[in-house]
Amino acid sequence: NAGVTQTPKFQVLKTGQSMTLQCAQDMNHNSMYWYRQDPGMGLRLIYYSASEGTTDKGEVPNGYNVSRLNKREFSLRLESAAPSQTSVYFCASSDTADRWWNEQYFGPGTRLTVT
Amino acid sequence: TQLLEQSPQFLSIQEGENLTVYCNSSSVFSSLQWYRQEPGEGPVLLVTVVTGGEVKKLKRLTFQFGDARKDSSLHITAAQPGDTGLYLCAGVLTTGGGNKLTFGTGTQLKVEL
Repeated sequence: NAGVTQTPKFQVLKTGQSMTLQCAQDMNHNSMYWYRQDPGMGLRLIYYSASEGTTDKGEVPNGYNVSRLNKREFSLRLESAAPSQTSVYFCASSDTADRWWNEQYFGPGTRLTVT
Repeated sequence: TQLLEQSPQFLSIQEGENLTVYCNSSSVFSSLQWYRQEPGEGPVLLVTVVTGGEVKKLKRLTFQFGDARKDSSLHITAAQPGDTGLYLCAGVLTTGGGNKLTFGTGTQLKVEL
C-alpha cells in the first residue's frame, strides 16, 4: 500500500497563477484533510472532507478551494496564488473525522513557492 | 494566537543526554497526540493520551498528559541521532461545533554524535 500520495512534490508559481495539488489514499479512509505548515506555526487546517461528498472549512480556508473527487482523492486548488501561500502543504486521511483522536496518516507534502 | 504552544522551539543536544519538550494551552483537551516529522516527510503519530495524568512509554520516550488536560510533556532518555526531527503535539478540542484537532507550534530536535 502506498498510503497517502501527493503530487507534485515541488512547485514554483508566479503571483496570480493557479494550480491544483492532488492527493490520493489507498487505505479506504472516509475522511481527508489539507494542512499547510509554516515555520513556528505548526500545521494549520485549510479544508477537510469528513466523508465522500462533503467538504468543510478549517482554520485558514481563504484563497483555497477543494474537491472530494471520490473516496480516494481530495484536491486543493489555488485560484490566484499569492506570496503568502508559500508553504509546505500536507494531505492526510483518517478512517473517520467523527473521532478526531484517531490517527491521521500524512502524505510526504508539496513544497510550494509563490514569487 | 496559537492554541497550543510548544517549548522549546529548537533544541540541539549531544547523544546520550535527556530532554523534555512541553506542550501548553489554556484550553482543556479531550485527548492529545504526539507526532514526529522527519525532513521531507509528513508527521507520523507516536502516541495518543486520553486521561488526565496519564503516562505512556514508548521505549526511551515518555509522554504525560497533565492532570487538568491542558498540557503535556514528552521526555526522551539517552537521546540518539535517530531521535532527530520535528515533534508536534496535537490536541482534540470539543466545542459546540463538534471536535477539532489543533496542532502545536512544534519543537525541532537535533541530536548530535
